[in-house]
Amino acid sequence: AQSVSQHNHHVILSEAASLELGCNYSYGGTVNLFWYVQYPGQHLQLLLKYFSGDPLVKGIKGFEAEFIKSKFSFNLRKPSVQWSDTAEYFCAVSPGSWGKLQFGAGTQVVVTP
Amino acid sequence: GAGVSQSPSNKVTEKGKDVELRCDPISGHTALYWYRQRLGQGLEFLIYFQGNSAPDKSGLPSDRFSAERTGESVSTLTIQRTQQEDSAVYLCASSLLGRAGDEQFFGPGTRLTVL
Repeated sequence: AQSVSQHNHHVILSEAASLELGCNYSYGGTVNLFWYVQYPGQHLQLLLKYFSGDPLVKGIKGFEAEFIKSKFSFNLRKPSVQWSDTAEYFCAVSPGSWGKLQFGAGTQVVVTP
Repeated sequence: GAGVSQSPSNKVTEKGKDVELRCDPISGHTALYWYRQRLGQGLEFLIYFQGNSAPDKSGLPSDRFSAERTGESVSTLTIQRTQQEDSAVYLCASSLLGRAGDEQFFGPGTRLTVL
């Protein structure tokens, strides 16, 4: 079955530490890849997306993600996290031409001061 | 409007009752999506409306679930004869054209609790 897997369900780290969240998908063919974030008390919002072109994409708030087609991966990174990065992060895949998304289970990230 | 709005924000109902959840998308967005998020799980696609095309209902979990959309505006998700496993946050999103690369803008969700 087609799926999106996020490797960690819960991550705790200190401010200034580096963050990497793993995401793998099992779709063949053309895919569009997204990371969405939900800050406490706020709506889900787009962090970054890969549609085509440069596989290293940069998003808001210093986040970036790398699409590695051979590994079916789209890992999210940030070199130095801040307390305000505490949130739940969701990887999502949109296969084909139209926009419905399949989400991973999410990773809750807690950044301690 | 400024964003996607949903109502009610919370709904508590008894098993077996019907519920209606409402979504107002961003004005001008032709695509509208419904997802649900059960506790501790990711978002699960339910249904997708794109313009005047027939909706993609492939994610609806049973025939107790249905949804309608009036033109390119309001959508209503109806759950008949609710069950406890229907308890979840129901999220609505809209996007400009519904293409795969389009950003989806999410509403705040409706938290449904079935007792």
